[in-house]
Amino acid sequence: GQNIDQPTEMTATEGAIVQINCTYQTSGFNGLFWYQQHAGEAPTFLSYNVLDGLEEKGRFSSFLSRSKGYSYLLLKELQMKDSASYLCAVRDSNYQLIWGAGTKLIIKP
Amino acid sequence: NAGVTQTPKFRVLKTGQSMTLLCAQDMNHEYMYWYRQDPGMGLRLIHYSVGEGTTAKGEVPDGYNVSRLKKQNFLLGLESAAPSQTSVYFCASSLQESGANVLTFGAGSRLTVL
Repeated sequence: GQNIDQPTEMTATEGAIVQINCTYQTSGFNGLFWYQQHAGEAPTFLSYNVLDGLEEKGRFSSFLSRSKGYSYLLLKELQMKDSASYLCAVRDSNYQLIWGAGTKLIIKP
Repeated sequence: NAGVTQTPKFRVLKTGQSMTLLCAQDMNHEYMYWYRQDPGMGLRLIHYSVGEGTTAKGEVPDGYNVSRLKKQNFLLGLESAAPSQTSVYFCASSLQESGANVLTFGAGSRLTVL
């Protein structure tokens, strides 16, 4: 079967750096997405990786290793507003998105 | 731009009742999707549409029906609601399927079936 694994919950301190990991086993690979979802709100797009390496976008970076079935989302200079769930999703060979259960990130002052 | 609008935002049903969730997008997107989100689980695709007049089954289609009579609207119907259908439902749309295809989500509809 297809599977996306992420930690359920992580805690970090305001101003620090946190890395959220995502491992996947899917039928084929056509890209990996990270979305942010604040409590009670809709998911919003953060990043997209289709080739190995690091994609940087401001305070957020996303890394992909296709050979290892692994990605991480790196958040720098954490702010209280970064408290949210972070969803990893992989598009498989049928162009269907397979979603992880999400990682709830708690930021403490 | 409104983006993706879902109605209603909240609904309580009794077992066996029927209802329709409406999704409207104003971005001229071809693809539209209905997902459900349950605690501890990833988003699960119920049905999707690749264009006006087309629909297809997703991962968990049983108990739901959909229609896409107009490009901008995607309706999700529950003919006979069951407690297992208690969930938060998200509609999403996208311009295309491949590439950096970004989904734009609606605000969600919280459905409780008693």
